[in-house]
Amino acid sequence: DTGVSQDPRHKITKRGQNVTFRCDPISEHNRLYWYRQTLGQGPEFLTYFQNEAQLEKSRLLSDRFSAERPKGSFSTLEIQRTEQGDSAMYLCASSERIGTGSETQYFGPGTRLLVL
Amino acid sequence: DQQVKQNSPSLSVQEGRISILNCDYTNSMFDYFLWYKKYPAEGPTFLISISSIKDKNEDGRFTVFLNKSAKHLSLHIVPSQPGDSAVYFCAASEGGYSTLTFGKGTMLLVSP
Repeated sequence: DTGVSQDPRHKITKRGQNVTFRCDPISEHNRLYWYRQTLGQGPEFLTYFQNEAQLEKSRLLSDRFSAERPKGSFSTLEIQRTEQGDSAMYLCASSERIGTGSETQYFGPGTRLLVL
Repeated sequence: DQQVKQNSPSLSVQEGRISILNCDYTNSMFDYFLWYKKYPAEGPTFLISISSIKDKNEDGRFTVFLNKSAKHLSLHIVPSQPGDSAVYFCAASEGGYSTLTFGKGTMLLVSP
């Protein structure tokens, strides 16, 4: 399977706990994105990386959120001191950026987080 | 403010007929548009895209039409099949930027 993979698929945690999610992109893709989707909404952009550099962060990404892509391959998204409002589906996507052309993002299956 | 709008939360179509899903946008800087399909508990699956230099793109049963003057795009599925039942998201991006802005989705139900 050469698609985007995410782990875990589901996570239940108590308010105040820290959680970490992992994303493995399509191997030849240099860009990796994190989105969040809540019920009845479309995915909302959180942050993205080109190789290991984090190039943009949304205002949705509070100080409790941190993302890394240490070697330009897999990425982790950590949420510290989780709140009930963090309950959502966290989606990872990857793409290959060549020059200045348009790119297509391919999504993983998502990690569904429930904060009790 | 919502820059990408899918005003129909749901659509029901009979198998074999045409499904037309609509999307409107407000940001005139958007120049690349995509449609994704999503089943429950899965991530969005890419269907088809169109650049702003085109007004139509076709891939099998799926055709996307873009009307830049009206800031409107539509996805046509013909013939519709029960397996097409899913939530369809319209997304857009600006030239030079990679982030996607999504609509809220339209749930398509194709009945046999």
